[in-house]
Amino acid sequence: KAGVTQTPRYLIKTRGQQVTLSCSPISGHRSVSWYQQTPGQGLQFLFEYFSETQRNKGNFPGRFSGRQFSNSRSEMNVSTLELGDSALYLCASSPDRGRMNTEAFFGQGTRLTVV
Amino acid sequence: AQKVTQAQTEISVVEKEDVTLDCVYETRDTTYYLFWYKQPPSGELVFLIRRNSFDEQNEISGRYSWNFQKSTSSFNFTITASQVVDSAVYFCALSGEGDMRFGAGTRLTVKP
Repeated sequence: KAGVTQTPRYLIKTRGQQVTLSCSPISGHRSVSWYQQTPGQGLQFLFEYFSETQRNKGNFPGRFSGRQFSNSRSEMNVSTLELGDSALYLCASSPDRGRMNTEAFFGQGTRLTVV
Repeated sequence: AQKVTQAQTEISVVEKEDVTLDCVYETRDTTYYLFWYKQPPSGELVFLIRRNSFDEQNEISGRYSWNFQKSTSSFNFTITASQVVDSAVYFCALSGEGDMRFGAGTRLTVKP
């Protein structure tokens, strides 16, 4: 069974640009969550999608957005990039969120560098 | 509000030593799940264990063992006879009614 796939693995962008990251969950998993990991703030929850609907959102500005497609693949977008957006962005998939995450499997992440 | 505290930022041990990673959590939910993940240098979070709030049985898996105590809101992780390959950042996480919350992580370095 293939794991969670995130593309691209590495990305360098300039301040002010926008970026789109992609996540393909494990086959059969319907829930996709996104996290930002930085040395200073650790792992922070961005948002979660389940059956194409955003079910939960973390405390991030509106520049961060996402969506989920009918095949459960998810994308997250960051507009007007700032230097502080440089981070490892991790995607996690779960079979069925229900009322809480009972298990979450992570991809290798996309390392975004904003210059 | 949910919170996970991993007070140990970094731990360094010599191979074959036992090491315990501490995790203390806060939640008002009566039903919740606790997790441990390992993050090697490659970046991927590797799932190690999940425990639900109603199951306080300790678990052993090879050199790994976990001690869950609701009375102290702790879910500690012990590696017995540590190996160099155990070097990584270890995260404790809590999932309740809301999103999954992670601790700050403990960087474990095992020296040969």
